[in-house]
Amino acid sequence: DSGVTQTPKHLITATGQRVTLRCSPRSGDLSVYWYQQSLDQGLQFLIQYYNGEERAKGNILERFSAQQFPDLHSELNLSSLELGDSALYFCASSVSDRVNQPQHFGDGTRLSIL
Amino acid sequence: GQQVMQIPQYQHVQEGEDFTTYCNSSTTLSNIQWYKQRPGGHPVFLIQLVKSGEVKKQKRLTFQFGEAKKNSSLHITATQTTDVGTYFCAETPLDNTDKLIFGTGTRLQVFP
Repeated sequence: DSGVTQTPKHLITATGQRVTLRCSPRSGDLSVYWYQQSLDQGLQFLIQYYNGEERAKGNILERFSAQQFPDLHSELNLSSLELGDSALYFCASSVSDRVNQPQHFGDGTRLSIL
Repeated sequence: GQQVMQIPQYQHVQEGEDFTTYCNSSTTLSNIQWYKQRPGGHPVFLIQLVKSGEVKKQKRLTFQFGEAKKNSSLHITATQTTDVGTYFCAETPLDNTDKLIFGTGTRLQVFP
């Protein structure tokens, strides 16, 4: 158990819809990272938050947004969903804002767009 | 998106055989991390290498960082079925230490 909690585990929705993925980091971790993993693909970095502030941005689409709340949990919002957004979305957390720290991953949210 | 090539993409081995995956970068790295993702699971941090030429061992796993800090390898001696999964490297370039770029991964299948 990594200590990182992601909900929901599975999401099935239709094109054009909007969903919110939730992540609670490991106790004591201030950074939260979001990744997208498509079928048989590697991990695409989307965005990082540190202590409530956006720290780094990766290949995140304009239709996607995220935030980190005062209690350090984070939400990833995906809107105007397309078939290609079907993927496993992972949240990871680490202690500091530096990327050269081990990241602890949650179990992921599997998003299926019909 | 930006990714790092790992080779091979897939490897099937008989239990007891050795396995090696390589991660090659076109740029000098600050450090490199390795993760393992079991089928249906999430990536789990294995190790971080920082120094040029560094070699670290974890039981049957040996991790190496190249002298020029541009490549790394993970070697598993005498594979077991519990080694099944995808192994990812994750690189931090020396000229951009705010980035952590995951490799494409090597999927290892071990046959008993």
